[in-house]
Amino acid sequence: KQEVTQIPAALSVPEGENLVLNCSFTDSAIYNLQWFRQDPGKGLTSLLLIQSSQREQTSGRLNASLDKSSGRSTLYIAASQPGDSATYLCAVSGSNYKLTFGKGTLLTVNP
Amino acid sequence: DTEVTQTPKHLVMGMTNKKSLKCEQHMGHRAMYWYKQKAKKPPELMFVYSYEKLSINESVPSRFSPECPNSSLLNLHLHALQPEDSALYLCASSREWVAGGQEETQYFGPGTRLLVL
Repeated sequence: KQEVTQIPAALSVPEGENLVLNCSFTDSAIYNLQWFRQDPGKGLTSLLLIQSSQREQTSGRLNASLDKSSGRSTLYIAASQPGDSATYLCAVSGSNYKLTFGKGTLLTVNP
Repeated sequence: DTEVTQTPKHLVMGMTNKKSLKCEQHMGHRAMYWYKQKAKKPPELMFVYSYEKLSINESVPSRFSPECPNSSLLNLHLHALQPEDSALYLCASSREWVAGGQEETQYFGPGTRLLVL
């Protein structure tokens, strides 16, 4: 059974700092990995999807990498802003095409 | 337009009530999903519809009844719920369900916050 772990569970940084969120998964037989953000009490916003054949994806200040063989992904956020404060969720899609989510990292960016 | 809409935003119901949640997308997506999310937990998949057919039911109790009347609309009918069913119910859609690529990117609605008394 696929398990997804996100470290750290919570992170607080000053504005302007670059930061890295980590995601690991136990079964490397995945089709893709997605990063989402969720604001309190809201739905999820898709940030990036990395296919299993890809190593990284970039969107603006966000860069996600995937090392499928070691079961790891990182989400790099450059020049963080208070508006980046949210919970970031990592999810993997395996042979059953269902998303398995991690518990998320709660990010707080302080002005 | 990457919007998934859900109504109502909030719902309070008694254990004997019957209510429905509605989800709509006009992105031409052929896969739609229902998730349940409890506080401080990740979303849990309930149902997957692909081309208007139920493809996955994650052993969800029969008091939850999904319906996909057309490719843009997904309903979740609720009957005789329990207080532990109180949660945020999220709808999502993707261009395809099984494609292996960017077509699987899921777009989520804002959710319906359900309270069962």
